[in-house]
Amino acid sequence: GAGVSQSPSNKVTEKGKDVELRCDPISGHTALYWYRQSLGQGLEFLIYFQGNSAPDKSGLPSDRFSAERTGGSVSTLTIQRTQQEDSAVYLCASSIGQGSSYEQYFGPGTRLTVT
Amino acid sequence: AQSVTQPDIHITVSEGASLELRCNYSYGATPYLFWYVQSPGQGLQLLLKYFSGDTLVQGIKGFEAEFKRSQSSFNLRKPSVHWSDAAEYFCAVGAGAGNQFYFGTGTSLTVIP
Repeated sequence: GAGVSQSPSNKVTEKGKDVELRCDPISGHTALYWYRQSLGQGLEFLIYFQGNSAPDKSGLPSDRFSAERTGGSVSTLTIQRTQQEDSAVYLCASSIGQGSSYEQYFGPGTRLTVT
Repeated sequence: AQSVTQPDIHITVSEGASLELRCNYSYGATPYLFWYVQSPGQGLQLLLKYFSGDTLVQGIKGFEAEFKRSQSSFNLRKPSVHWSDAAEYFCAVGAGAGNQFYFGTGTSLTVIP
């Protein structure tokens, strides 16, 4: 079956512009995660959605970052007024249930470059 | 606080040689432990996981890992490395009933002929 998909695969933007990154999770997966992977770093948790519950936004690095998940499926991560330090690979993952015992399935990521 | 340490940033092994990638974690209770592999331009793929029971777990692609509570370690091993194993490897800890996962900074594996 189809895995997690993300678009675009690459995005180059100018400093100060807004960007939107999209994630399509696996059908039926209720949990969705966003991570940021900077060069030489591990994965940094950004935000977590579970069903209709309020999202866990504790990992968002600033108020320039926001995310939404429409209809419990597709999610969009928005970065406003991008900065050069926002350059990274943004990974989305989904899992079938809530909690850290459930395997996460990762998308291929969106590579964001801010010039 | 929970954390995961992968002490080796980069490892080079010869094809056919054995491999061990180190992972140490810090967590107050029995953790959920994972190893993921990331090939260039790809997302992360789960190699194996440990929740409970037998401390030696088998995964895909011939990998195995052993949970050692006394050492807070979950090292990944493979008896004979193939050139296709060249990739980035991440160890991760799941924080119990919560939804937080903590990833190490990764170990980059190079395989030479």
